[in-house]
Amino acid sequence: GENVEQHPSTLSVQEGDSAVIKCTYSDSASNYFPWYKQELGKGPQLIIDIRSNVGEKKDQRIAVTLNKTAKHFSLHITETQPEDSAVYFCAASAKAAGNKLTFGGGTRVLVKP
Amino acid sequence: DAGITQSPRYKITETGRQVTLMCHQTWSHSYMFWYRQDLGHGLRLIYYSAAADITDKGEVPDGYVVSRSKTENFPLTLESATRSQTSVYFCASSVSWANTGELFFGEGSRLTVL
Repeated sequence: GENVEQHPSTLSVQEGDSAVIKCTYSDSASNYFPWYKQELGKGPQLIIDIRSNVGEKKDQRIAVTLNKTAKHFSLHITETQPEDSAVYFCAASAKAAGNKLTFGGGTRVLVKP
Repeated sequence: DAGITQSPRYKITETGRQVTLMCHQTWSHSYMFWYRQDLGHGLRLIYYSAAADITDKGEVPDGYVVSRSKTENFPLTLESATRSQTSVYFCASSVSWANTGELFFGEGSRLTVL
């Protein structure tokens, strides 16, 4: 089955700096890659997603890039703010595998003011 | 807009006891899911349901039972709790699962098995 590895597990950045989280996946048939943000005491919430026919997608300060050849995708947060502090999860799914989402292990991001 | 609610939010139980975690959604979403969250493992799918009376196993189903008699409810039962089932459990729902569906998560149920 699909295996998703996420790095780093923790990330501390200064407010205003950029943060980058990287994920690799094993199933070359995967074609949907969402990112979820989990704030303390809450459930995860979708923040951005990308499909395999697209190489990059942006939404204000966040962007996701996908390299299908290398089987990795990344989340980029620019101009980080304290409210970006949270746990971020990447995930991947393949239609051939019944669309089940496989999540990475999560990255705890701390933005220091 | 109540969304998706889980109960209880916190539960402490003892090994061997039966525990049921409740999940209720008000959106009439077809798909519902149960995940467990453990440090270093991210979110792992326990069971999911495509509609009332249709359920299927996920990645880690052993020791769990689910039912879905009504579209809006998807309870998760641990028939004989073990310490390894200490975790945070998240229920989620989705309009569709055709490789595009956003998952809407509840706020989680933290279960401790002593």
